[in-house]
Amino acid sequence: KAGVTQTPRYLIKTRGQQVTLSCSPISGHRSVSWYQQTPGQGLQFLFEYFSETQRNKGNFPGRFSGRQFSNSRSEMNVSTLELGDSALYLCASSQRQGTSYEQYFGPGTRLTVT
Amino acid sequence: AQRVTQPEKLLSVFKGAPVELKCNYSYSGSPELFWYVQYSRQRLQLLLRHISRESIKGFTADLNKGETSFHLKKPFAQEEDSAMYYCAPSSGGSYIPTFGRGTSLIVHP
Repeated sequence: KAGVTQTPRYLIKTRGQQVTLSCSPISGHRSVSWYQQTPGQGLQFLFEYFSETQRNKGNFPGRFSGRQFSNSRSEMNVSTLELGDSALYLCASSQRQGTSYEQYFGPGTRLTVT
Repeated sequence: AQRVTQPEKLLSVFKGAPVELKCNYSYSGSPELFWYVQYSRQRLQLLLRHISRESIKGFTADLNKGETSFHLKKPFAQEEDSAMYYCAPSSGGSYIPTFGRGTSLIVHP
C-alpha cells in the first residue's frame, strides 16, 4: 500500500495569512487525524475526520479548521496565522475493525510563520 | 483535566539491559492507552495499544488501573530501539489523545 502523503512538505507564510495543508490517507482508511508538534507544547491532537465528518476535536481555536472529501483526502486550514502556529503538522490515517486498529502517519508539513 | 506524565526525558541503557519507560496518567473514565515511537529521521508510528495486549518488537505495556500507569517494557534492549517514545491516553470511546512529552531512549552498544 502507498503510505500517507502530505503536501506541501515545507511552507513559509507571513503573520495574518492563511494556509491550507493536504493529507492523502492510505487507501481504504476512512479516518484522518491531524496533530501539531512544537518544541514548546509537544504533540497535540487537532481533530479527526471520518467519512467527511469531524468526529473529534482537540483544544485549538477556531482559526484551525479542516475538512474531508469523499475520497477520504483531508485538508486543514489555519486562518490569520500567528508566529506560534509555526510547527510540524502531522496527519495520520487509521482503520478500526473490531479490536484491530492500524494507524499510519505522514511525513508532516513544516510550517514557518514569519 | 486529562494529564499524562512521562517522568524521564532521557533514558540511557546498554544493549541487553532491561528497559522500562514510565507513563502515568490522570484521566476520567476508562481511557484507551497508546504508545507511539519515532525513530531518527522516520515517521511517527503507533507501537502498541493496551487493548491489543500484544508484544511489538519485544515491547509490552501493562495497564495498571490502580496506579494509573501504562509503562512500556522490554527485557533486553537493542541498539535499534533507540528512539523517542510517546505515551498517549485517549478518552474512552472517542479518539482524543493527550500526548506525553516523550522519553528519548538511547541504547548503547
